Amino acid sequence: RKEVEQDPGPFNVPEGATVAFNCTYSNSASQSFFWYRQDCRKEPKLLMSVYSSGNEDGRFTAQLNRASQYISLLIRDSKLSDSATYLCVAASGGSYIPTFGRGTSLIVHP
Amino acid sequence: SQTIHQWPATLVQPVGSPLSLECTVEGTSNPNLYWYRQAAGRGLQLLFYSVGIGQISSEVPQNLSASRPQDRQFILSSKKLLLSDSGFYLCAWSITYEQYFGPGTRLTVT
Repeated sequence: RKEVEQDPGPFNVPEGATVAFNCTYSNSASQSFFWYRQDCRKEPKLLMSVYSSGNEDGRFTAQLNRASQYISLLIRDSKLSDSATYLCVAASGGSYIPTFGRGTSLIVHP
Repeated sequence: SQTIHQWPATLVQPVGSPLSLECTVEGTSNPNLYWYRQAAGRGLQLLFYSVGIGQISSEVPQNLSASRPQDRQFILSSKKLLLSDSGFYLCAWSITYEQYFGPGTRLTVT
């Protein structure tokens, strides 16, 4: 059973659109959450951490819902350069072994 | 600032040949180190992690091994490669939960 699940997509959206991804985690002990971005044939890069109170970085907003055990990523005003795979990550306290989801593919078209 | 290096960037090896991939981290001390493999179109599979020199934990039994001869050096090896070893090998480091990835080695076993 996968511990972190994501819709693989692809999400195909036009430039300027708002798109949201959800990710569910099964380990209720998970305490730290992140979103990574992975471009084709490149390494994953940390996009943002997800705090209990939610956090925003420019066009990107991340939210955590502990009761329902999911995190979300909202991208506003999508750019062509946002096209990538977005990986959701959950980590539990005391273990520096995070669990990665398999990623959600986003394609932004003109 | 911290940087992570991996080499080689690409590698083509015949079945049955040995393998040695190297990863080094600069700008931090006593990092946690990780080896992942990502098969084409698949998620990240954690292979090994290390919390200190000489301390290696294996997540998936296979014909690969890892060593950490120095604090900031992590090596992935195999005595005899299989076709199924093809993939994108990523080294990562962390101090807490956020992981930072190297550029990866794309291995093709023929």
